[in-house]
Amino acid sequence: NAGVTQTPKFQVLKTGQSMTLQCAQDMNHNSMYWYRQDPGMGLRLIYYSASEGTTDKGEVPNGYNVSRLNKREFSLRLESAAPSQTSVYFCASSGADNSPLHFGNGTRLTVT
Amino acid sequence: GIQVEQSPPDLILQEGANSTLRCNFSDSVNNLQWFHQNPWGQLINLFYIPSGTKQNGRLSATTVATERYSLLYISSSQTTDSGVYFCAVDGWGSGYSTLTFGKGTMLLVSP
Repeated sequence: NAGVTQTPKFQVLKTGQSMTLQCAQDMNHNSMYWYRQDPGMGLRLIYYSASEGTTDKGEVPNGYNVSRLNKREFSLRLESAAPSQTSVYFCASSGADNSPLHFGNGTRLTVT
Repeated sequence: GIQVEQSPPDLILQEGANSTLRCNFSDSVNNLQWFHQNPWGQLINLFYIPSGTKQNGRLSATTVATERYSLLYISSSQTTDSGVYFCAVDGWGSGYSTLTFGKGTMLLVSP
C-alpha cells in the first residue's frame, strides 16, 4: 500500500519551461490537493479536487493548472515556470470531507 | 479567512523532557489536524481532532473548540520527535473543507 505517490522527487527548470507534476493515490480517496511549501510560510493550497471531475482554486492558483485524470490521479502543470515558483510541492488526499489528510513525499522544484 | 497561530515558533529540548505546543485559531472550526514534518521533509498526520482529547503513545492532543485553541503534548521526547509540527484548521461555513496551515513549531530534541 503505497499511499500517495508523487513524481518526480526533484526537478530543475529554466524560466519559461513547462512541466507536469504527477500524483497518484491508492487509498480510494475522493479528494485530492496540491500544496506548496515555502520557508516561513507553512503550506499553502494551490488547487484541490473534491471529487473526480471537479477542480477548484485554492489560496495561490496563479501560474498553475490541474487535471483530475481519474479518481487516483491529480496532476499539477506549470505552463511557463518562474523563479517565484521555486518551492516544495506536496500532493495530498483525503477520503471525505473532514477526514485525515495524507501527504505524498513532495517534489522539490527549482526554477532558475 | 481563518487565521492560525502556532507557538512557540522554535523549541529545543533534552531527550526525555516533555513539551506542549499550542495552536490558536480565529474562528469556529469543524476540522483540525496536527502534522509532523520530519527532517527528511515527510509530512505525517498525527491527529484529526476538531474537539476533545486523543492519545497515541507518547503524543496526545486536546482541542477546546469553544476557546479556539488546541494543544499537542509530547512526553518523554526522543530525538526522532525532531522536526516541524503543523496545526491545520478549516472553519465552519467556508464551503468545501480545505485546511489552512499554521507556520509551524520547529522542535529539536538533543541527546
